[in-house]
Amino acid sequence: SQQGEEDPQALSIQEGENATMNCSYKTSINNLQWYRQNSGRGLVHLILIRSNEREKHSGRLRVTLDTSKKSSSLLITASRAADTASYFCATDLLGGKLQFGAGTQVVVTP
Amino acid sequence: DVKVTQSSRYLVKRTGEKVFLECVQDMDHENMFWYRQDPGLGLRLIYFSYDVKMKEKGDIPEGYSVSREKKERFSLILESASTNQTSMYLCASSFSLAGGTGELFFGEGSRLTVL
Repeated sequence: SQQGEEDPQALSIQEGENATMNCSYKTSINNLQWYRQNSGRGLVHLILIRSNEREKHSGRLRVTLDTSKKSSSLLITASRAADTASYFCATDLLGGKLQFGAGTQVVVTP
Repeated sequence: DVKVTQSSRYLVKRTGEKVFLECVQDMDHENMFWYRQDPGLGLRLIYFSYDVKMKEKGDIPEGYSVSREKKERFSLILESASTNQTSMYLCASSFSLAGGTGELFFGEGSRLTVL
C-alpha cells in the first residue's frame, strides 16, 4: 500500500492563481520531500522538510508539515504556465525507504 | 550538475527475454534506487542499495533482481520479462542525511514494453 497520498488528484488553475496540494501519510517519517515531474521525464526535487520542521519556503513554494496529523501541503504561489506538471510527495520512512504517492496533476492555463 | 544516466530511454522486448536496465550516477552517492511508475499508481520502489554489493527489497521486488558491483552503477534485471512488467522504470541516487535519505536525483527513465 502507498504511504503518501496526494489530494487532489488533479488541479486546474489560471496563471497568477495559487495552487495547493496535500499529502497524507501513515507512519513515522524522517523527512518528507516534494518532487515535480514534467510529462515523460524524470522527477526533479523541489523541497525537503524534516520531521522536526513545520514550514519551509523555496522561491514561490511553501511547504508545511504537521506530524500530529501526518500531513503536508505544498503551495505554489502566483502560478505560471511552466508550473504545469505532476507533483509528488515522498516520505522517508524510518528504516530508509523513500515512498511516493500517486501524485497531483496540475494544469496552469494562460 | 549531478547526472544520473539510464542506458536506454525506450526498449521493446518479448515475453521471456532477460532484460538489463543500467543506471550510472556521477556524484559518488551512497544510495541508489529503482522505481517503476504506472498511471494512477505513482512510483513504486522495486529495490534500493546503500552501498556496493548491498541491496534491499522495496515494495514490489518480485520478478526483479539488482546488481551493484561498483558504487556508481546500479543495474535492474528482469530474469524473464512478462507483459505486466511493461512500465516506466526510474533510477535515482542520493546521499544519506543524518537520520534519513537526502534528495533523490532521477534519471530520465526507461520505458519498457514487453510484447
